[in-house]
Amino acid sequence: DTGVSQDPRHKITKRGQNVTFRCDPISEHNRLYWYRQTLGQGPEFLTYFQNEAQLEKSRLLSDRFSAERPKGSFSTLEIQRTEQGDSAMYLCASPSGGAPSTDTQYFGPGTRLTVL
Amino acid sequence: AQKVTQAQTEISVVEKEDVTLDCVYETRDTTYYLFWYKQPPSGELVFLIRRNSFDEQNEISGRYSWNFQKSTSSFNFTITASQVVDSAVYFCALSDLMDTGRRALTFGSGTRLQVQP
Repeated sequence: DTGVSQDPRHKITKRGQNVTFRCDPISEHNRLYWYRQTLGQGPEFLTYFQNEAQLEKSRLLSDRFSAERPKGSFSTLEIQRTEQGDSAMYLCASPSGGAPSTDTQYFGPGTRLTVL
Repeated sequence: AQKVTQAQTEISVVEKEDVTLDCVYETRDTTYYLFWYKQPPSGELVFLIRRNSFDEQNEISGRYSWNFQKSTSSFNFTITASQVVDSAVYFCALSDLMDTGRRALTFGSGTRLQVQP
């Protein structure tokens, strides 16, 4: 157990619906990453937070995606008007702390999204 | 742009055999970090090892060892005396600077290891 939790673990939704995922990072870790992993591939970077500020967004993060981290604690990732191509595992990572250049990212169990 | 290549899609070995997983990377960064993660069937990514680009000393940790060759941009991972519980998908990852100056992980596509009893 890495200390990173994600909820829900599984989500099945119909195309066009909105979904929201939650990540609780390791306590007092001020940085947080979201990644997406499609079947048979490695995770791909989506976005990065330092405290409550979203400092980095991948080109993969279309305008249907929005992420927040109010008060620099837990984070949410929302997908609006889901499409079948959004079906993937969404992973949250909490770096080990210290300098950003030297940390190790610890991953939560992920939320597996299936869009029908 | 950074890239990580794991050419071995799937490897099958018999228990107690040694197995080496290959990883080749590309980066323009002069200081970077390399990782191996394990993803068992349960799906959670488990951190295994990390290596800094400025330290090419190879190490052994229990049944795991790694061979970092900066000259060939390779970071290979070896499991000695494999066990059935080692069956998983293994990912090599590179942490280097994005264009914005911040870091993120770039993963390879993974190697599925099956250890047969």
